[in-house]
Amino acid sequence: AQKITQTQPGMFVQEKEAVTLDCTYDTSDPSYGLFWYKQPSSGEMIFLIYQGSYDQQNATEGRYSLNFQKARKSANLVISASQLGDSAMYFCAMIPQRGSSGSARQLTFGSGTQLTVLP
Amino acid sequence: EPEVTQTPSHQVTQMGQEVILRCVPISNHLYFYWYRQILGQKVEFLVSFYNNEISEKSEIFDDQFSVERPDGSNFTLKIRSTKLEDSAMYFCASSVDRGLGQPQHFGDGTRLSIL
Repeated sequence: AQKITQTQPGMFVQEKEAVTLDCTYDTSDPSYGLFWYKQPSSGEMIFLIYQGSYDQQNATEGRYSLNFQKARKSANLVISASQLGDSAMYFCAMIPQRGSSGSARQLTFGSGTQLTVLP
Repeated sequence: EPEVTQTPSHQVTQMGQEVILRCVPISNHLYFYWYRQILGQKVEFLVSFYNNEISEKSEIFDDQFSVERPDGSNFTLKIRSTKLEDSAMYFCASSVDRGLGQPQHFGDGTRLSIL
């Protein structure tokens, strides 16, 4: 079974500063995918960034980057140059490699970090 | 940009009533999912669907739940006899295939309130 741990229930950051949201995971699967989603107060879930367990480089997507440390089983999200619109709940999630042919994969989510960007 | 569409955005239902939550996945996506998020808690997987049948389901997805793809565009979640504990935000998601790097794209959710 997979487990995602997000130890920061809430974080504050000053506008234009960078912030790191922590995520650690536990899995026995040799191959897996890690995702970050953003959930604004309006409730929708927005895909931000993906990191594959065998990817050699850390993923980047605009102002989002992923600090992936496989040996430590961590996949921290870094948001650079924070904006007021970044205030939201952020979820780390993972999907295992295994699954019989044709079967879909379920995302396992962490408990989330509520980020507040201060003006 | 194509998106997953869910209706209604908010559903209020009396306990014991049946409810159907509707979703239109992204048109070229082949894999469909339902998740739920009880207020203040983490997002939980309910069921995945591919090729007109359930691929995986969680312990939450008991006999009270069913899913259907009644036509080429809609994907529905039915709760037969709702309970108070079914109150939650229900998210539909879809992905183009089951490759590891393929993200699941979520709809805006349906907030289900059971009275």
